[in-house]
Amino acid sequence: EDQVTQSPEALRLQEGESSSLNCSYTVSGLRGLFWYRQDPGKGPEFLFTLYSAGEEKEKERLKATLTKKESFLHITAPKPEDSATYLCAATGANSKLTFGKGITLSVRP
Amino acid sequence: GAVVSQHPSWVICKSGTSVKIECRSLDFQATTMFWYRQFPKQSLMLMATSNEGSKATYEQGVEKDKFLINHASLTLSTLTVTSAHPEDSSFYICSATRVFGLPYEQYFGPGTRLTVT
Repeated sequence: EDQVTQSPEALRLQEGESSSLNCSYTVSGLRGLFWYRQDPGKGPEFLFTLYSAGEEKEKERLKATLTKKESFLHITAPKPEDSATYLCAATGANSKLTFGKGITLSVRP
Repeated sequence: GAVVSQHPSWVICKSGTSVKIECRSLDFQATTMFWYRQFPKQSLMLMATSNEGSKATYEQGVEKDKFLINHASLTLSTLTVTSAHPEDSSFYICSATRVFGLPYEQYFGPGTRLTVT
C-alpha cells in the first residue's frame, strides 16, 4: 500500500527563519510527487510537481527537491503570509494521489 | 489557468435529505475529475474517480448508492449525497486533470463544507 508521511506535524518559525518540511514516501512505481498549499477552509493550491530523483523546482521563497525516498520543501526567509498547511502527495502505478496529513506552518512577524 | 470551482461553498441540510455539489473546470477541459473528503486535521481521502460519460469508480468503503456521481461533460461533475446523516458532515473537495496538461497533475476546487443536522 502506498504511504506518504510528513514531518513535523506543525512548525512555528520566526519571520526570516529558513527551514525545511519533510515528506517521506513509499510508493510503488512513483509517477509524480506533488506539493500543495492549503489555507483553512480552502482547497489545496498546486505548488510543484517532481517526477524523478534529483529534480528541483523553485517558486519565490519555496524550493522543492526529490530523492528516491523523500522530498523536501525548503522555505527561505519565510513571511507571515506563508503560514498555511503544506500537503505532500504522490502518484504511483495505481494513478491515484496518496496524501500525507500535512504540515501546518506558522510564521510569526 | 486551471481554475476549478465548486458550488455551493457551504451547505447545511437536515438528516435524511439529499444534497448536490457541483464541480466545474472553468478554463480547461477535464480528462478526469476526482472527489475527496477531508476531516479536520486529516488527509484528503479519495472517494471516487470519474470520466465524462462513464460511470464513476469508487474507492473501497465508499457507498456508491449514497454518493452519486454524474460526470455530464468535460467541465462538470456533480456529487449528490443521498439521505444525508450527521456522519456525512465533512469538507468535500473536487479536483480535475487537464486534457492537454501534465499527467497526474490535479487542480483542486475550493471545497464545499457540508453540515448535516
